[in-house]
Amino acid sequence: QAVLTQPPSVSGPPGQRVTISCSGSSSNLGTNTVNWYQQLPGTAPKLLIYSNSQRPSGVPGRFSGSKSGTSASLTISGLQSEDEADYHCAAWDESLHGPVFGGGTKLTVL
Amino acid sequence: QVQLQESGPGLVRPSQTLSLTCTVSGDSISGGHNWNWIRQHPGKGLEWLGNIYYTGSAYYTPSLKSRLTMTVDTSENHFSLRLSSVTAADTAVYYCAREDDVSPYTRYFDFWGQGILVTVSS
Repeated sequence: QAVLTQPPSVSGPPGQRVTISCSGSSSNLGTNTVNWYQQLPGTAPKLLIYSNSQRPSGVPGRFSGSKSGTSASLTISGLQSEDEADYHCAAWDESLHGPVFGGGTKLTVL
Repeated sequence: QVQLQESGPGLVRPSQTLSLTCTVSGDSISGGHNWNWIRQHPGKGLEWLGNIYYTGSAYYTPSLKSRLTMTVDTSENHFSLRLSSVTAADTAVYYCAREDDVSPYTRYFDFWGQGILVTVSS
């Protein structure tokens, strides 16, 4: 059972905007920032967003993130077929003294 | 470019010890980062196992603490994981990852290994 809660799946046609939610508690999202990882089929996760809304070098601007209280979201604008992947949210947890993850959301581009 | 590479047996017998090594290139393991192990059960989300600093100081997830040991070898620039008394529930893809941070409130994994599937079966 994942500590952070994400929807199992989302979908949308090319060009549309989709949002993936991530819900936590005071010991993780309520205290620390959220990170998002993209996992393409058969590959390792890749850092997509860190510190709620920062994009590492090379990540397209159509990926954006935000956080409010104990909830966070990842928005993908202008969906492309290559965005089809699993997306995982994560945050440091004060109780665990380590990071906790969501269960992952599978994005399907219709 | 920082690269991490997991190595070890892909099949472990039940009740035996799972041993993996993560070799780091493009960065010194003594460079001030924490080095982590994360696993992913088939079709499931990610699970943090623990991390280790180059001094040997390690933190483990509480649910596995009694079975986990992490070590670091600065001369070889690699770190290792040992998980004892494995069962089928330990079958997963195991990843190593470098942890970076910009503040005490923001820590993330910026470089990952490709992962290694370890199956526990007789």
